[in-house]
Amino acid sequence: AQRVTQPEKLLSVFKGAPVELKCNYSYSGSPELFWYVQYSRQRLQLLLRHISRESIKGFTADLNKGETSFHLKKPFAQEEDSAMYYCALSGHSGNTGKLIFGQGTTLQVKP
Amino acid sequence: DAGITQSPRHKVTETGTPVTLRCHQTENHRYMYWYRQDPGHGLRLIHYSYGVKDTDKGEVSDGYSVSRSKTEDFLLTLESATSSQTSVYFCASATASGANVLTFGAGSRLTVL
Repeated sequence: AQRVTQPEKLLSVFKGAPVELKCNYSYSGSPELFWYVQYSRQRLQLLLRHISRESIKGFTADLNKGETSFHLKKPFAQEEDSAMYYCALSGHSGNTGKLIFGQGTTLQVKP
Repeated sequence: DAGITQSPRHKVTETGTPVTLRCHQTENHRYMYWYRQDPGHGLRLIHYSYGVKDTDKGEVSDGYSVSRSKTEDFLLTLESATSSQTSVYFCASATASGANVLTFGAGSRLTVL
């Protein structure tokens, strides 16, 4: 079965501290993985996808097939990073938009 | 950011009543989706559409139906609302070539008493 697990419901850090939002997936093939973010009073939007290997707003995420993980990292958190973050998987459904989302992690960056 | 508009944004209804949520997009996206967002479950796919009159079931489709008579409109209907359908509903759209890059609406919060 395909599954995405985000083990932390809430992650609270101080401004300037490193951040790592964990995401583990269950899928036997070659996955396509995403991080979506929902800032307060804004719409859910794509933050980054593993195939583009971009750094967006200072965030990076590396696909580790051995550990089946796609953790989201940022070296120095900013208050504006406070949001709900969802990891999502496109498995055997391919390029269809039928994503499997994790439970979400709320990141709280304290001043 | 008015590419996707959902209506109503908030609705309170009683168990057993029918409810229709509307999604209207001006992106000319071929693909459209309805997801529901619940604490502890993240977002789960209810129904999706790959074009006019082309719809199919997602992961949690029981108790829901959809219709897509025009490219820009995707309706989600709860024939007889139940308390378990209290949720936030998100409409999303995407191009056929980049279907996994979803553009989301603002969400519709439905409370079933």
